[in-house]
Amino acid sequence: QLQLQESGPGLVKPSETLSLTCTVSGGSISSSSYYWGWIRQPPGKELEWIGSIYYSGNTYYNPSLKSRVTISVDTSKNQFSLYLSSVTAADTAVYHCVVLVTAIVSFDYWGQGTLVTVSS
Amino acid sequence: QSALTQPASVSGSPGQSITISCSGTSSDVGSYNLVSWYHHHPGKAPKLMIYEGSKRPSGVSSRFSGSKSGTTASLTISGLQAEDEADYYCCSYAGSTTYVFGTGTKVTVL
Repeated sequence: QLQLQESGPGLVKPSETLSLTCTVSGGSISSSSYYWGWIRQPPGKELEWIGSIYYSGNTYYNPSLKSRVTISVDTSKNQFSLYLSSVTAADTAVYHCVVLVTAIVSFDYWGQGTLVTVSS
Repeated sequence: QSALTQPASVSGSPGQSITISCSGTSSDVGSYNLVSWYHHHPGKAPKLMIYEGSKRPSGVSSRFSGSKSGTTASLTISGLQAEDEADYYCCSYAGSTTYVFGTGTKVTVL
């Protein structure tokens, strides 16, 4: 049973880069069975898929965020990270790290989520 | 890539059945049988309820069922229970390993 835990600053200044890390337990981040990704939910709004990374290193991003997003994997630490540059107040949201199980093409594992507020 | 359209709220009395629609386009819901549904209590992690349009993960009650017609997917909850009260989101594969979520539906048990 995979378990995910997000970590990172809860407050980021406008125009800076948001950085979050997800630590994976209960499984290997090098597994071909999963895509590792991020989903966010701004206050009062819907869930938004941000992007995913496969163990091969291939990345896939939401077209609306693609110019500002980077997702990377650290296999030595069994972690993956999200970097979102040039943030504005519109990027304030609860950020969840997630696992998409390739066999069922669905997000079957979710972290509890961490609130990131963009404010000066 | 626009959000899939769901009704903002649906309500029902205990024991009744309700259906939540999820309207997409020919680029997402209409092209793939890869719609999933999630149950979400704010402050908690969302939970997968339906995958590949109509399949239930192990442990999910048979009261939950999914279907699709054209560019609209649906989630039906039968025998509505108080514990079903939550937000529900659909999600569709949208090609090129991208995904789009619905606008979310708040289910209220009267």
